[in-house]
Amino acid sequence: ETGVTQSPTHLIKTRGQQVTLRCSSQSGHNTVSWYQQALGQGPQFIFQYYREEENGRGNFPPRFSGLQFPNYSSELNVNALELDDSALYLCASSFTGSYYGYTFGSGTRLTVV
Amino acid sequence: KQEVTQIPAALSVPEGENLVLNCSFTDSAIYNLQWFRQDPGKGLTSLLLIQSSQREQTSGRLNASLDKSSGRSTLYIAASQPGDSATYLCAVPLEAGNMLTFGGGTRLMVKP
Repeated sequence: ETGVTQSPTHLIKTRGQQVTLRCSSQSGHNTVSWYQQALGQGPQFIFQYYREEENGRGNFPPRFSGLQFPNYSSELNVNALELDDSALYLCASSFTGSYYGYTFGSGTRLTVV
Repeated sequence: KQEVTQIPAALSVPEGENLVLNCSFTDSAIYNLQWFRQDPGKGLTSLLLIQSSQREQTSGRLNASLDKSSGRSTLYIAASQPGDSATYLCAVPLEAGNMLTFGGGTRLMVKP
């Protein structure tokens, strides 16, 4: 059984650019969530996908968007990058809700310069 | 709106001590509570998951308790080791399939 894998591990982008982060869910999981973690803080919920549709969103602007694919993998896209977007982006998967809890990936460290 | 608070924010103890990390939440109607460990710059590793109907869960030297009525959970670490040094986060969803709300974490350092 594989866990949640994220790519790339590190990324440096220039302000105004666009970025795509990728996540492969743990085997058997059908729900994917994305979180942003600024340095020294707890993760903040961005959005969640179930059956290829967004079914929950945190307080993030529309320039944060995502996709979930039929194999339950997912992408997080951020347009018009700002310096404050620099953070660790975490992907989490679960099976139809949170009864068994969430499994997190190792994250992608995004630096915007 | 659910708010989760963790106290203390940082803790430094000598090796071998037993210690307690605290997590409090404002809305007691939680579905479950999950404790995570995070090493610097890394992802989250799940330690313990307590369902809303349970009072505690144990895994090795770790014991987590849950008191929904008072909005509190504690993570007890027995006989701490330098390898336990990390940030510990608690998180709760209000409903099944709902987003996790995290506390700010407790940064633990265990000195040899």
